[in-house]
Amino acid sequence: AQSVTQLDSHVSVSEGTPVLLRCNYSSSYSPSLFWYVQHPNKGLQLLLKYTSAATLVKGINGFEAEFKKSETSFHLTKPSAHMSDAAEYFCVVMASGTYKYIFGTGTRLKVLA
Amino acid sequence: GAVVSQHPSWVICKSGTSVKIECRSLDFQATTMFWYRQFPKQSLMLMATSNEGSKATYEQGVEKDKFLINHASLTLSTLTVTSAHPEDSSFYICSARGVGGAARTDTQYFGPGTRLTVL
Repeated sequence: AQSVTQLDSHVSVSEGTPVLLRCNYSSSYSPSLFWYVQHPNKGLQLLLKYTSAATLVKGINGFEAEFKKSETSFHLTKPSAHMSDAAEYFCVVMASGTYKYIFGTGTRLKVLA
Repeated sequence: GAVVSQHPSWVICKSGTSVKIECRSLDFQATTMFWYRQFPKQSLMLMATSNEGSKATYEQGVEKDKFLINHASLTLSTLTVTSAHPEDSSFYICSARGVGGAARTDTQYFGPGTRLTVL
């Protein structure tokens, strides 16, 4: 069975400092992994996805994530946080053969002025 | 590209009435649509999966007679909450995967969500 674990339920950073949101996955197959962002009372926006191509994936708004098979991790990073980055972030693995998503529990990012 | 819309964005109804929520793919053909429910400060819970022209597949514990899903065309799916009660109040989000435009079949594109409040 596939799963993802988001290691932090809340992360606080100061504006202009780096962001690190951690995600570990479990999968018997080469997984498809995604990061989505959700602003309050909004739908989910795709930040980036990994589908067995380059292990370093660049996404929108300056975010990137690195797929590390040896560590079963897919952490999301951004060099410099902006106030507008404050939101809920979800790490997702796609269940093989069904296109269903398995969601992590989410990480709430707070950006301090 | 790959835009999904939902209507309405919020709805308030009386207990016992039915509410219909529409989910549309605007610039691609949605071969599969998904309906989720999200409680405050929680992750998304998949309710059902629907393929165009087929009956929806419901997740365990989701009442198919209460949450009616129709996916009659490649751009439209509807969720009808029948005989709604206050415990049905929630944020409902749809997503779609498909072909055409900027859509990729291995990616779900999410609508903006519908806030349902049942009085």
